[in-house]
Amino acid sequence: GAGVSQSPSNKVTEKGKDVELRCDPISGHTALYWYRQSLGQGLEFLIYFQGNSAPDKSGLPSDRFSAERTGGSVSTLTIQRTQQEDSAVYLCASSFGPTEQFFGPGTRLTVL
Amino acid sequence: KNEVEQSPQNLTAQEGEFITINCSYSVGISALHWLQQHPGGGIVSLFMLSSGKKKHGRLIATINIQEKHSSLHITASHPRDSAVYICAVYGSNYKLTFGKGTLLTVNP
Repeated sequence: GAGVSQSPSNKVTEKGKDVELRCDPISGHTALYWYRQSLGQGLEFLIYFQGNSAPDKSGLPSDRFSAERTGGSVSTLTIQRTQQEDSAVYLCASSFGPTEQFFGPGTRLTVL
Repeated sequence: KNEVEQSPQNLTAQEGEFITINCSYSVGISALHWLQQHPGGGIVSLFMLSSGKKKHGRLIATINIQEKHSSLHITASHPRDSAVYICAVYGSNYKLTFGKGTLLTVNP
């Protein structure tokens, strides 16, 4: 595709449910990043995938959060047992190595 | 203290004015991003720079690595420039650390 795509664009869920957020990076980009933007807060790093290397998970806020990247392309961010404080916009970005990052439109997650 | 500090937090200007947004950082970096986010919109990368100056249309970004400071300038500002401008820095670990953003409003 022409850019980074994310799905769904909006997700409303009930507290305690699991959610999966998907990111399709730009074709050929080796690096993929997940970020979170909470209401009134800045952007925060969650996780980084680079090629076949082990991902950098240092930004994941709890063990309820996990992510995988299959085949070096599509990535899924999973949040288990969602809490209200997980409500945020989850952004994915991709790049060709440590270069300019291209951001997706984000998934707005609302936990009721 | 945040690793990336932006100023001002909010900026209101009249159409046509010259705008400057500043970014200071306290860590060693390999590069710096300037990003733009329109209300309710996605994030667009404006510049990535590691030294000197870059220009794209009415936008100019400069960086001084020794002083750990970058500026984003907008010449002949226009209402469509109204957005949040975010400075983000790359550390040695390829992660971006973000400033809190500058909300720019350009009035016609």
